[in-house]
Amino acid sequence: AQTVTQSQPEMSVQEAETVTLSCTYDTSESDYYLFWYKQPPSRQMILVIRQEAYKQQNATENRFSVNFQKAAKSFSLKISDSQLGDAAMYFCAYRRRPLQTGANNLFFGTGTRLTVIP
Amino acid sequence: EAQVTQNPRYLITVTGKKLTVTCSQNMNHEYMSWYRQDPGLGLRQIYYSMNVEVTDKGDVPEGYKVSRKEKRNFPLILESPSPNQTSLYFCASRPLTGGGYTFGSGTRLTVV
Repeated sequence: AQTVTQSQPEMSVQEAETVTLSCTYDTSESDYYLFWYKQPPSRQMILVIRQEAYKQQNATENRFSVNFQKAAKSFSLKISDSQLGDAAMYFCAYRRRPLQTGANNLFFGTGTRLTVIP
Repeated sequence: EAQVTQNPRYLITVTGKKLTVTCSQNMNHEYMSWYRQDPGLGLRQIYYSMNVEVTDKGDVPEGYKVSRKEKRNFPLILESPSPNQTSLYFCASRPLTGGGYTFGSGTRLTVV
């Protein structure tokens, strides 16, 4: 079974500094997607960044980047130049890529609450 | 605007009183899914649907029903709600061949 582990329940960062959120996952598949979602107090789930496992290049979206280590099954999120609006719960998630029955579940970690200190 | 719309946003009900949470998407997505979010557990899938009239159980289906009579709508039905179904519920959709999900704004359900 696929599992996603976020070992940091809470993290804090000074405004304008950089923070890295950790995520590890367990799978026997070779082809899959990995995601980071942000959930602010409004509780909306917002897609931050996505990585396809077959791509060696780490995904980047403006101030957000990932460090994808496929062999180690690690998928960390780096937030550069942290802003007050980055304060939220962050969820790491995994999904198998093949379009097979039962393959469409998005497995979530338990989340990391990020506080940004002014 | 492309979106997933859930209603209601908040609901307080009593044990055993049937309720329906509606979900509608305007992106012509084939795949729709329901999740519940509980503290310390992340989001867990309840049911999913790969297209009209095609639904299947997720990880925590007990006590829930769904239907997919139209492509855009995917209601979640609690026939006899119990307090352990108090949770935050999310509907999500995506294209069948795509990777990213679009989530609704969530429904906070309290069963007393």
